[in-house]
Amino acid sequence: DGGITQSPKYLFRKEGQNVTLSCEQNLNHDAMYWYRQDPGQGLRLIYYSQIVNDFQKGDIAEGYSVSREKKESFPLTVTSAQKNPTAFYLCASSIWASGTYNEQFFGPGTRLTVL
Amino acid sequence: AQTVTQSQPEMSVQEAETVTLSCTYDTSESDYYLFWYKQPPSRQMILVIRQEAYKQQNATENRFSVNFQKAAKSFSLKISDSQLGDAAMYFCAPFYGGATNKLIFGTGTLLAVQP
Repeated sequence: DGGITQSPKYLFRKEGQNVTLSCEQNLNHDAMYWYRQDPGQGLRLIYYSQIVNDFQKGDIAEGYSVSREKKESFPLTVTSAQKNPTAFYLCASSIWASGTYNEQFFGPGTRLTVL
Repeated sequence: AQTVTQSQPEMSVQEAETVTLSCTYDTSESDYYLFWYKQPPSRQMILVIRQEAYKQQNATENRFSVNFQKAAKSFSLKISDSQLGDAAMYFCAPFYGGATNKLIFGTGTLLAVQP
């Protein structure tokens, strides 16, 4: 089955701890994205990566970090510097072509709760 | 700033009836794409329909169609013959290329379908 997997589905973290959310895709997509979703709001872009070993900040990158060592994987670390990390996190991937749109395929999401 | 407005936080429709969800956006870009995404209770994001801004003809996908008014920057979604499975959160999301090069999501409209 081709698709995007995110793990875990639910994640609990104590304040002051870093936590890493996993995102894996087997669609052979170049680009990968991380979004945050809060109640009553749409998705907001945290980071994105167009190619291995390169990534760019989105609109709300503060308190987050990413890596892209493999094409298939784009893990997101929520650091203790993120002041309000409780949210639903969605990962997506797409073919990459600058200036044009290619459909983004979304994973099932991870619900992070800070205790 | 590029903004997206979905002025209806919640809507309700009777099964088999038609409902229209509204979306307006603000941009100075001339070339862009517009999307409606559906997020059911499973929280999986699903692409419903897409519209290229350079096309005058409104997009249609089975029971889903759009009314795209480029001059008014309006992009509404019409759902005909509503089904119980249509109950979900619906997000309007323009994609702007060039320097922006990202999807921008509205705050969503929660659609309830009454049997």
